[in-house]
Amino acid sequence: QSVLTQPPSVSAAPGQKVTISCSGSSSNIGNNYVSWYQQLPGTAPKLLIYDNNKRPSGIPDRFSGSKSGTSATLGITGLQTGDEADYYCGTWDSTLSAGVFGGGTKLTVL
Amino acid sequence: QVQLVESGGGVVLPGMSLRLSCAASGFTFSTYAMHWVRQAPGKGLEWVALISFDGGNEYYTDSVKGRFTISRDNSKNTLFLQVNSLRTDDTAVYYCARDRGWLQSQELDYWGQGTLVTVSS
Repeated sequence: QSVLTQPPSVSAAPGQKVTISCSGSSSNIGNNYVSWYQQLPGTAPKLLIYDNNKRPSGIPDRFSGSKSGTSATLGITGLQTGDEADYYCGTWDSTLSAGVFGGGTKLTVL
Repeated sequence: QVQLVESGGGVVLPGMSLRLSCAASGFTFSTYAMHWVRQAPGKGLEWVALISFDGGNEYYTDSVKGRFTISRDNSKNTLFLQVNSLRTDDTAVYYCARDRGWLQSQELDYWGQGTLVTVSS
């Protein structure tokens, strides 16, 4: 199982808001920045959020990130059918001296 | 524009070796740390390895230590992953990715399209 824990799936209706949680420990999320990635079916992952809450150029402000203690959250507002994808959190683990990802969360827009 | 193009994947027998390559263009390759990340069929992302901008530091996930080696040739803008003693559970799409931040920041902002490694008897 993954070092970071995410819910396997979340769902919401178009136009609604959804949050995806990512739980870790003091050796990873608690002392390092968190990133979030979107993977559309059949494509490579795409960086959505870095440094806990910053968006790369071109990422709409419907996507937001936050961190508190050893947990992080990705928020998506104004859901669109095109947002259906797998979402992953990631960070560095200082104890393992390794990168770590969450198990991924499949978002369904009903 | 930034491009990362992986190659070198294929179908191999358990115990065999492969050398994966990632050709980089559109940015100053020698100033960025680089990662390999893999994804087994139908599974999630698994971080594999990281190399510093100058090749002086390397990090690996436990399951590949002693079998995989990450390296780079900054004169040729190319990242490598030497994969030895392959096992069936190494079967995955292998992605190379650029880190936009400092070493260990784990902020992978550009990814290649991936190369498939299949280990099967």
